[in-house]
Order: sequence, then C-alpha cells, then structure tokens
Amino acid sequence: DQQVKQNSPSLSVQEGRISILNCDYTNSMFDYFLWYKKYPAEGPTFLISISSIKDKNEDGRFTVFLNKSAKHLSLHIVPSQPGDSAVYFCAASLKGGGSNYKLTFGKGTLLTVNP
Amino acid sequence: DTGVSQNPRHKITKRGQNVTFRCDPISEHNRLYWYRQTLGQGPEFLTYFQNEAQLEKSRLLSDRFSAERPKGSFSTLEIQRTEQGDSAMYLCASSPAMNEKLFFGSGTQLSVL
Repeated sequence: DQQVKQNSPSLSVQEGRISILNCDYTNSMFDYFLWYKKYPAEGPTFLISISSIKDKNEDGRFTVFLNKSAKHLSLHIVPSQPGDSAVYFCAASLKGGGSNYKLTFGKGTLLTVNP
Repeated sequence: DTGVSQNPRHKITKRGQNVTFRCDPISEHNRLYWYRQTLGQGPEFLTYFQNEAQLEKSRLLSDRFSAERPKGSFSTLEIQRTEQGDSAMYLCASSPAMNEKLFFGSGTQLSVL
C-alpha cells in the first residue's frame, strides 16, 4: 500500500515556464515532507522541505505548498531551467518512538525542461 | 564535507553468491540508513542505525540480509545467497541527530545474473 503517491510519472515543460510537481499522501501521521532530486547514477539530493505546521516554504526558485486537509503537497519551480531535468521524489517523515526520521518515498516524477 | 561514500559503485554477481557493500557516512552523523531502489520505484527503507545500534529493520530485509555498523562509524550490508530479485540500487544515507533531512550516497548498483 503506497502511502506517498506521485501520480504523474513524467512532466515536460519549456525553459522559463513554471513546473508543478504533485504528491499525495494517505497517512495523516506524517508530519514532515521533503522533496529530493535525483540525476541518473547518483543518489537523491535534498531540495526543500516543509513541516506540517506550515503551508508554504520557499527557497529561491523552489516553493513547496502543503494542504493538510487534502493530504496533498506540490513543488513549484519558477522559472524552470534545463538543469532542473531530473527525477523528483516526494518523501514524508513519520517520527518513530525513538525519533527515527524514516522517510517514505513516492515513485518519482521525471521532469524534462526543454530549451 | 566529503559526503556519504558507498563502495563499490557497481557489483555484478552470480545467483547464489554472497555480496557485501560498504557505506561511510558523513563523519558527524550518528544516524545511518539503508534503502533499496528498483526501477520505476522510489527508495524503500531497509534498516536504520543510531550509532552502532540497529534500531529498526523493514520486513523487506529477509534473513539473507544483514547489516552492521561497528563502532558507530561505517556500515556494511551483506546479502547471502543472492537471488535475481535482489538486483537493485542500494542506497545509504546519514543524518545528524534530530534532523529529518537525509544525505544520500551515490549508491551501489547490484546486478544478480
């Protein structure tokens, strides 16, 4: 049972336009959400995160929005650049009894930014 | 900051052989995680160490899998009697205490023939 879902396997946008990547989750106990970017043959790289007490977090061209009632978050990239082309993973954290910050990942969305 | 280092980067083995992977976390990080990623899937949690103690293991980790972190520094993941279904990217990650952000290594790509 997938607790974190990224329903769009791929997304293609033009350079300079906005990229919007979506993520849904089912476990209401998740309290921290992260986006990771992954290039081929490399490990995932942290991009941006948001705590469940917030609904928006910005870092440069990247903004993450959280809608807790809908159990939905999205990553906005503005403006998109060709170097942003990668697989983007949504991840959620569930604090265990021992403060184990184990991440549950979605399947990823392949973003292609065309020049 | 040298980042999380994993060796080897690639491993090709025959079914039934044993393999061992190594992970060197970022030096000041006391938490270490192993994940597995197969094609078209996101990373899946395998196991977690806090210092040298292995505190959680996923049901994905069968009896053929064993992980250690002696002295709370580097970690090894061993797979005994490999099966073709073990073919995957094995990712190691580390994090400092009380921090949700995991830093991943580049992974070890295992191919079982």
